[in-house]
Amino acid sequence: DIQMTQSPASLSASLGETVTIECRASEDIYSNLAWYQQKPGNSPQLLIYDANSLADGVPSRFSGSGSGTQYSLKINSLQSEDVASYFCQQYNNYPNTFGAGTKLELK
Amino acid sequence: EVQLVESGGGLVQPGRSLKLSCAASGFTFSNYYMAWVRQAPKKGLEWVATISTSGSRTYYPDSVKGRFTISRDNAKSSLYLQMNSLKSEDTATYYCARHRLQWPFDYWGQGVMVTVSS
Repeated sequence: DIQMTQSPASLSASLGETVTIECRASEDIYSNLAWYQQKPGNSPQLLIYDANSLADGVPSRFSGSGSGTQYSLKINSLQSEDVASYFCQQYNNYPNTFGAGTKLELK
Repeated sequence: EVQLVESGGGLVQPGRSLKLSCAASGFTFSNYYMAWVRQAPKKGLEWVATISTSGSRTYYPDSVKGRFTISRDNAKSSLYLQMNSLKSEDTATYYCARHRLQWPFDYWGQGVMVTVSS
């Protein structure tokens, strides 16, 4: 199974700041990587797919990058509505596997 | 608008069975793979099962293989998860999600809680 190592586990940032979340796969996943946002009490929502493609309706302050085994999610100009948990997921192979998540809070 | 609505959750004793349902609308159900993903309380996400468009192919992780069965009824735009021999570690919110082969989960239901406890 492909292991997804996500960091940091938690993050505190100020409004307007830029934050970056990292995800490392245990083997090459050929950019078959997604990022999800989950706000408290809600189901996950797709943010980024194919490592760097923005899902429909997602603000352009979110961006994804990476290739091979290393990927990142960047949030520019942090807004209050971005407070949430973020998960990466590889869909290159079954079993599809997720990172453990990053909890983003406001400082 | 894509809608996925799960039902059938609840409290069940270890070793017993439970069947979850997901009613889909707003898209051509038979054109998409579908999946179940779960999240234990205060924990991360775990993929549980995927089914192909026709239902002829199913995929499971080792943690549920042999105990869980995913199925679908395209005429009713409905997805199911039969869970047998339930264990305490199956306690989680179960989400129905739209899916394709080598594609992320692009729409999720609101989730249904399953608690396995005596």
